Order: sequence, then C-alpha cells, then structure tokens
Amino acid sequence: RKEVEQDPGPFNVPEGATVAFNCTYSNSASQSFFWYRQDCRKEPKLLMSVYSSGNEDGRFTAQLNRASQYISLLIRDSKLSDSATYLCVVGQGSTLGRLYFGRGTQLTVWP
Amino acid sequence: ETGVTQTPRHLVMGMTNKKSLKCEQHLGHNAMYWYKQSAKKPLELMFVYSLEERVENNSVPSRFSPECPNSSHLFLHLHTLQPEDSALYLCASSQGSGGTTEAFFGQGTRLTVV
Repeated sequence: RKEVEQDPGPFNVPEGATVAFNCTYSNSASQSFFWYRQDCRKEPKLLMSVYSSGNEDGRFTAQLNRASQYISLLIRDSKLSDSATYLCVVGQGSTLGRLYFGRGTQLTVWP
Repeated sequence: ETGVTQTPRHLVMGMTNKKSLKCEQHLGHNAMYWYKQSAKKPLELMFVYSLEERVENNSVPSRFSPECPNSSHLFLHLHTLQPEDSALYLCASSQGSGGTTEAFFGQGTRLTVV
C-alpha cells in the first residue's frame, strides 16, 4: 500500500467552480501535512500546511482528519491560474523522518 | 538566492557520457531527496538521504549513483544512460527530525539523453 494516495483526477472545472481534492495516508504516526502545487515544467512549491484544526488561506481551505487519516483541499471560486497539479505530502517526525509525496491531482480550470 | 540550488539547469548528454548533477541547500536541513519527473508523469522518488545516510533507494538502475558528502550537498552521478532517462530531475530538502518540515525544491535539471 502506498504511503500517500490521492484522487487520480484529472479535474476539469469552469471558472468560479468549487473543487475538492482528497488524500489518504497510511502511517498513523505521521505528524506533518502539506499541499503542494506544481505548474507545468516547474518544481513543486508549497501551497499550504495542514493543521489539525483546519486552516484557510483565501480561497483555499485545508482539513485534516487524523482518525480517518484523511486530508482535503477545497478551492473556492476557481481561477484560470489555479490550473496545476496539486500534491498531497505527509511527513514523519522520527529522527530519520522524511516526506512522502502523493502522485498528484491535475486541475484544469477553463474559461 | 534560492534555498535549494541545482546545477546545471539543462544538460544534453550522449549515452556513453558520464556527468553529474549537483544540488546544494542553504537551509540547514538534514534530509535530501532526488526525484525524477518524466513528461506528463508524477514525481518518482529515486533516493532519500537523511543525516547523510541513504535511507531509501527506489529500485533505481545502477547507472544512477547518488552521493551525499555532507548535509548541504547532494550529487547524482550519471553514466551510460538511456534515452528514456530523459526527464526533469528535482532535488529537495527538508528538516527531518523532531517533526518534518515542508520540502523545498530546486528548479531542477532538465536532462536530455541522445
């Protein structure tokens, strides 16, 4: 079983739509959670960290459910510029801790 | 100055050549990663170094050889590559102890094998 699994996508939505991405992780000892964005032919960049209480950054809302080992990202009022691949990332906190990346979900927002 | 620097940005090499990709991080992180990303495909983890020890090798062919001489530098030595090895090679680093922080990526090396 993969450490991090995401919706396969792709998602194609019109401008202004609300879209949600889901992600599950297998290691209950995971301690840190992130959503990354990757534009075509560019490196992934941090979009937002995910906290247990849930957090919001403008049109983006991230939620974490530790009991279900589930992470979500909600994008409201989609813009053309939101078109990208969104990566779910989970980290472990041991001394040799490292990050595990999901395969990513591709989003295309059309006019 | 970016936190993670990769050189070269672009590389074209023949199948019989030997070359090395370099990654340097200025963030004080203790975990470093090599990823491969082929056209329109997801990131593929190749190697993970944590505290300068290789902790993961994802069945990568031996024509790719990583080296981590210290916590700030990571190399990927390449020899006798195949055309299907053409891809974007990304380096990343994170702080892996006491709660892993987010990863920062370099801009990548776009490799073409001819």
